[in-house]
Amino acid sequence: GDSVTQMEGPVTLSEEAFLTINCTYTATGYPSLFWYVQYPGEGLQLLLKATKADDKGSNKGFEATYRKETTSFHLEKGSVQVSDSAVYFCALTIYNTDKLIFGTGTRLQVFP
Amino acid sequence: DSGVTQTPKHLITATGQRVTLRCSPRSGDLSVYWYQQSLDQGLQFLIQYYNGEERAKGNILERFSAQQFPDLHSELNLSSLELGDSALYFCASSVVPLGTSGFTGELFFGEGSRLTVL
Repeated sequence: GDSVTQMEGPVTLSEEAFLTINCTYTATGYPSLFWYVQYPGEGLQLLLKATKADDKGSNKGFEATYRKETTSFHLEKGSVQVSDSAVYFCALTIYNTDKLIFGTGTRLQVFP
Repeated sequence: DSGVTQTPKHLITATGQRVTLRCSPRSGDLSVYWYQQSLDQGLQFLIQYYNGEERAKGNILERFSAQQFPDLHSELNLSSLELGDSALYFCASSVVPLGTSGFTGELFFGEGSRLTVL
């Protein structure tokens, strides 16, 4: 079935370090891919998205590229800040279905 | 602020009891979704409504039920509560529902209702 697999956390980094959070997917149809972020005490909010292969989504310094050949959508940021500390969820939807499938989330902790 | 309002923010109750969680979607959003977030199971989709009608069902237990009212607010009813029902329950909304060509992929989430069953 359709699923999303994320690397387990927590990911602990120092400020200004490079971030990668891995996400791979399995999909029977044509997925669109998303990263959502959940800051402490808040609901999830969309961070970025990509709707077709080779698309790159970007927002707030974060980037992710839709790689169909490796079924991946890894989240990257060149220099993290303490304010980036949050839980990051990879997700997918399948065109013309009612599914929005989330990964289990990866907690990022950034220390000064 | 996402524009989605959930009440109550925190709720503590005992096993066997019944609770109701309320959600007001963003102004203009016709679709409402309920999710359960627990430590061991991540974010689980429960149910979706569109303009008052049930549109999709996920892993929702029979002890749970929901509805969307004519003013578009939604309620999630949890009954015969068990310890394992302790979780954060999120409501989300969107203008058009998942699965339609107009869906952009963005759900707007409330801050959640944290339920603790003792």
